[in-house]
Amino acid sequence: GAVVSQHPSRVICKSGTSVKIECRSLDFQATTMFWYRQFPKQSLMLMATSNEGSKATYEQGVEKDKFLINHASLTLSTLTVTSAHPEDSSFYICSAAGTTDTQYFGPGTRLTVL
Amino acid sequence: GQNIDQPTEMTATEGAIVQINCTYQTSGFNGLFWYQQHAGEAPTFLSYNVLDGLEEKGRFSSFLSRSKGYSYLLLKELQMKDSASYLCAVRDGTNAGKSTFGDGTTLTVKP
Repeated sequence: GAVVSQHPSRVICKSGTSVKIECRSLDFQATTMFWYRQFPKQSLMLMATSNEGSKATYEQGVEKDKFLINHASLTLSTLTVTSAHPEDSSFYICSAAGTTDTQYFGPGTRLTVL
Repeated sequence: GQNIDQPTEMTATEGAIVQINCTYQTSGFNGLFWYQQHAGEAPTFLSYNVLDGLEEKGRFSSFLSRSKGYSYLLLKELQMKDSASYLCAVRDGTNAGKSTFGDGTTLTVKP
């Protein structure tokens, strides 16, 4: 149990385009989903917390207009990186938490912006 | 806020036992997690402690002392595949479900 999927696993895009990443909890209802970014050899950096049906809570320094988060249902959250630039290239990881609050992570999405 | 400290790197020998420590200073506490992360992959859940004491799960055990703000992850009978980064994360008592992660301890297991 507690499987979280993420799609796509890898994406390469041109500078200025937008990229959408999907995060799904496959076998449980996620009351809360989290989005992280991780640069090579660094720890996870929490970007935002999202609850189903409400606006996401962004961490300090994370631009909400650049990283759009939608949590449309208890099993799906999406992160859209708008007008992507090379500095946005990173490993984006989502996690989902149900009633136990244990976070289960998706496999991650490696974004490369050319 | 939360401040979490764990060693940056550790090295151990295959078949041995290794203990990875984590200390935390928090404004609120509602549980501590350990995750394993292999290079290029997402973290996977190992353990969760909310009460003092030792939780054993196969080759892995996790200990918590809330009064000391201290936890450790104990790995027994080390295998080469245990080479990974181990992340300590503290769940915030004020924001349900939100956890703060330490920088991780990179464990290298040598033959």
